[in-house]
Amino acid sequence: EAGVAQSPRYKIIEKRQSVAFWCNPISGHATLYWYQQILGQGPKLLIQFQNNGVVDDSQLPKDRFSAERLKGVDSTLKIQPAKLEDSAVYLCASSRIKGTSGLSYNEQFFGPGTRLTVL
Amino acid sequence: DAKTTQPTSMDCAEGRAANLPCNHSTISGNEYVYWYRQIHSQGPQYIIHGLKNNETNEMASLIITEDRKSSTLILPHATLRDTAVYYCSHQGGSEKLVFGKGMKLTVNP
Repeated sequence: EAGVAQSPRYKIIEKRQSVAFWCNPISGHATLYWYQQILGQGPKLLIQFQNNGVVDDSQLPKDRFSAERLKGVDSTLKIQPAKLEDSAVYLCASSRIKGTSGLSYNEQFFGPGTRLTVL
Repeated sequence: DAKTTQPTSMDCAEGRAANLPCNHSTISGNEYVYWYRQIHSQGPQYIIHGLKNNETNEMASLIITEDRKSSTLILPHATLRDTAVYYCSHQGGSEKLVFGKGMKLTVNP
């Protein structure tokens, strides 16, 4: 099966500019995640969608970051305006929760990421 | 707010078994233990997960202690391509997966 697709792979912008990232999850995966990974650290969840509804956006800096998942498939993550500290790799992942209620698990499949450099 | 503790780094000789430890003392009864790895410039890759029994798949084996407060990921015959950052975490249901800084495994020829 095709994996999670992301574009662009690299982006360089100046601070205060805006930028958008696109993600196409694995077909049939209802759950989609956006992560931010700063150099030397593990990925940090920004937002989680279940179909086209937001499940968790507690760590999304909502004053500058926004995300949408129209029609419950593709998703875009936008930063406006960008700051120097937004330089990171932005990872998209998708999953399908398995198991029975109360004892369910999910295996996340990650895309290659978009490396953002803010100058 | 990582919930797990791993060594910062570990070296292993090619062809030998690599045993990667993880402490997850705050794990609750319905949470699975997950292991992922991230090869340089790629997204994380799922390796294995387990609840309380030991698990094995084509990539690795997972040994979970009886009290479930720690686990060990075993790569039985490490290769150079296993050089990566390895993350362990625990999660239940639709809760978010929290990644710590992970552990850098270097497999040496």
